[in-house]
Amino acid sequence: DARVTQTPRHKVTEMGQEVTMRCQPILGHNTVFWYRQTMMQGLELLAYFRNRAPLDDSGMPKDRFSAEMPDATLATLKIQPSEPRDSAVYFCASGLATGGRETQYFGPGTRLLVL
Amino acid sequence: GIQVEQSPPDLILQEGANSTLRCNFSDSVNNLQWFHQNPWGQLINLFYIPSGTKQNGRLSATTVATERYSLLYISSSQTTDSGVYFCAVGYKLSFGAGTTVTVRA
Repeated sequence: DARVTQTPRHKVTEMGQEVTMRCQPILGHNTVFWYRQTMMQGLELLAYFRNRAPLDDSGMPKDRFSAEMPDATLATLKIQPSEPRDSAVYFCASGLATGGRETQYFGPGTRLLVL
Repeated sequence: GIQVEQSPPDLILQEGANSTLRCNFSDSVNNLQWFHQNPWGQLINLFYIPSGTKQNGRLSATTVATERYSLLYISSSQTTDSGVYFCAVGYKLSFGAGTTVTVRA
């Protein structure tokens, strides 16, 4: 049963610490998306990759967030330094892009709490 | 960006009832998905439906792309249908605010 996996599932950290979240997309998928969900803003796109190349990261605070795909099986989202307002659930999703039409499959999310 | 509006914001149903959720979007799209977020937070794909009608068990969906809306139908609702239903459109998935469905036994 192919699925997107994310680690860690839960993270509690103190303000100023670095946070790294990892995502393993579904094997064979060529697009990866990072979303953030908060009560106030709902679900919003942070960044996305196609064939490991970053195509759009306009949703990310550039000074503290970074997203990378070191290889086709791993995507990372880093926050340095973390702040309490970063507390949210971070979802990774993957898909197979075919002419702009694709279904995205979501991982279980990383629930982050920054104290 | 594309604006997505979902209605109603909340829905309380008695088990066995039918319901319709609506999603309006502000621009033409070639990608529209419906998701169910369960009480544990997992986002589950229900339909990929940029146009036309699809059915999966007790759920069905219709998208009228030319009029920029989509409908999700839940028939014979069960308590396990409770959660938040999201409509998301566009390649980069702009999400609506969701409809919170509570099904009571």
